Order: sequence, then structure tokens, then C-alpha cells
Amino acid sequence: NAGVTQTPKFRILKIGQSMTLQCTQDMNHNYMYWYRQDPGMGLKLIYYSVGAGITDKGEVPNGYNVSRSTTEDFPLRLELAAPSQTSVYFCASSPGARTSGKETQYFGPGTRLLVL
Amino acid sequence: GENVEQHPSTLSVQEGDSAVIKCTYSDSASNYFPWYKQELGKRPQLIIDIRSNVGEKKDQRIAVTLNKTAKHFSLHITETQPEDSAVYFCAASISFGNEKLTFGTGTRLTIIP
Repeated sequence: NAGVTQTPKFRILKIGQSMTLQCTQDMNHNYMYWYRQDPGMGLKLIYYSVGAGITDKGEVPNGYNVSRSTTEDFPLRLELAAPSQTSVYFCASSPGARTSGKETQYFGPGTRLLVL
Repeated sequence: GENVEQHPSTLSVQEGDSAVIKCTYSDSASNYFPWYKQELGKRPQLIIDIRSNVGEKKDQRIAVTLNKTAKHFSLHITETQPEDSAVYFCAASISFGNEKLTFGTGTRLTIIP
């Protein structure tokens, strides 16, 4: 199992550009999450999904959109990049089923985004 | 919504000594409390977690304690080693439904050889 994978690893965007951050998990997890981590700070939840076709806002959703058409993939879309979106973005997944350890979140390696 | 506060923000201890990191949470309905370790430039990784029906949990040199009445929980690392140097995050969630985690702001632990 590759676990949670993210692409790209690093990207520089100009203000106003758009991009999609890709996230894929091969653990058949029901739940998936997107976080951002600003330098020296904790993780803040952007969006999450409890299953294919179901998404909901987290703490800091403004400027982002998500979709979940399959169990495996949970892309994050930035429509009009702003300097405030410079951050490291982590995708995570958890089993989310009635099993032991269902709450444990497994993180991807992150995408470092710089908006200039 | 849930609010998690974490202290201290930085902590330096001599190798071999113990380290303690404390967190408080606001939502009394929270019942799942994980701790993540993040090394520089790496992803967060779960090191230990505790559920509200348990007061303490140990895994080798790492332990977590939970006081539901006071709404705080702590991470204890004994016999610290250089590889324990990292940023540690506590988190809290309500373990039914969507398992959303609210994270603390992190503690940068430095082990002094």
C-alpha cells in the first residue's frame, strides 16, 4: 500500500491563477480531509468528506473547493490564488467505520504552495 | 466549535530527562484525543491516542493521561532521546460521525545531548 499520496510536492503560483492539488489513498478509507499548515502553526481543516459524493466545510474553506467522485480521490481546487494561501497542504484519510482505530488519520506527504 | 490550547510552545530538555506537554479542550462532548509527531519537513504521524473511557495509556516511553472533568490531557515522554526532537500536536474530536480533528498549535521539543 502506498497509503496517502499527494501531487505536486511543490508549486509556485501567480496571484489569480488556479490549480488542483491531488490526493489519493489506497486504503479504502471512507473519510478524507484537507488541512493547511502555515509556518510554525498547527493544522487547520479546510474541507472533509465522509464518503463519495459527500463533502463539507471545515474551519477555513474560503477560496477552496473540493469534490469526491470516488472513494480513492479527494482533489482540492484553488480558483483564484492569493498570497494568503501560501502554505503547506496536507491530505489525510481515516477508516471512518465501526472498527477499532476508525478515528486514526493518516497523512500524505504534503504539497508546499507558494503564491506570488 | 471545539478549541484546543497547547502548552508550552517550545520545550528543551536534557537527553534522558522527561518531557510533558499539556492540552486543554473546550467541548465536553469530545471523546477522542490523539497526539501527532511531526519531524521537520515531514508529515504528521500518530504516536499515541486515548479515548474518553480511559484515564491513561502507555506505549513504551510515551504515555498520555486524560482528565475529563478538567478537560485536559497530557503527553509524557520519559528517557528522552535525540530522535524525540520534533513538533508535537495534540488534537481532539467527537468520535462519531465525521471524526473531525481540532489541533493544538504545537510544541517544538528539543532534546539537548
